[in-house]
Amino acid sequence: DGGITQSPKYLFRKEGQNVTLSCEQNLNHDAMYWYRQDPGQGLRLIYYSQIVNDFQKGDIAEGYSVSREKKESFPLTVTSAQKNPTAFYLCASTLRGEVDREAFFGQGTRLTVV
Amino acid sequence: GEDVEQSLFLSVREGDSSVINCTYTDSSSTYLYWYKQEPGAGLQLLTYIFSNMDMKQDQRLTVLLNKKDKHLSLRIADTQTGDSAIYFCAERLLTGGGNKLTFGTGTQLKVEL
Repeated sequence: DGGITQSPKYLFRKEGQNVTLSCEQNLNHDAMYWYRQDPGQGLRLIYYSQIVNDFQKGDIAEGYSVSREKKESFPLTVTSAQKNPTAFYLCASTLRGEVDREAFFGQGTRLTVV
Repeated sequence: GEDVEQSLFLSVREGDSSVINCTYTDSSSTYLYWYKQEPGAGLQLLTYIFSNMDMKQDQRLTVLLNKKDKHLSLRIADTQTGDSAIYFCAERLLTGGGNKLTFGTGTQLKVEL
């Protein structure tokens, strides 16, 4: 079955450490996205990528980094520069062109800084 | 600029209709979506509407789009307890960097017996 997989589901990090969240899709989608979700604030876009080896900053990119070396994979690194990293992180993917209508989401990773 | 707003909470009785509202600011939206999120899970697409349509009906769901006022609504008929969730509206914009999805703040729907 095609889908988008995020791992791990729960992640704990000590302050000052970098941590990488995984997002893999086998839908042959061109575009992938990372969102952060905080209570009462909805989803905020961190980074997005339309094609391999290219990505764009979203609305809250500071303290995060991404790579897109393969079409299937779009890992997100939460760096020690991110002031308040505890949140629920969601990855999504879509086909690139306007003919597509739907974004598929992973089940999310809950990151907690301890 | 891009901004999508929703009210945070809505409470309805089982069997009543629910109407969740959304306003957006960017008139260049191509598609507008409604997603449902259950606790601890990702987002599930409920329905969508193309920006040149006024209305779309899909079983218990009715989407109304007023482009002039930049207002989108989702009506759920005969609301059930299983409809309790957070509902997000989202718009797809075509930017210099490609297609970009912008989500609203989400509306928590609580269905009471």
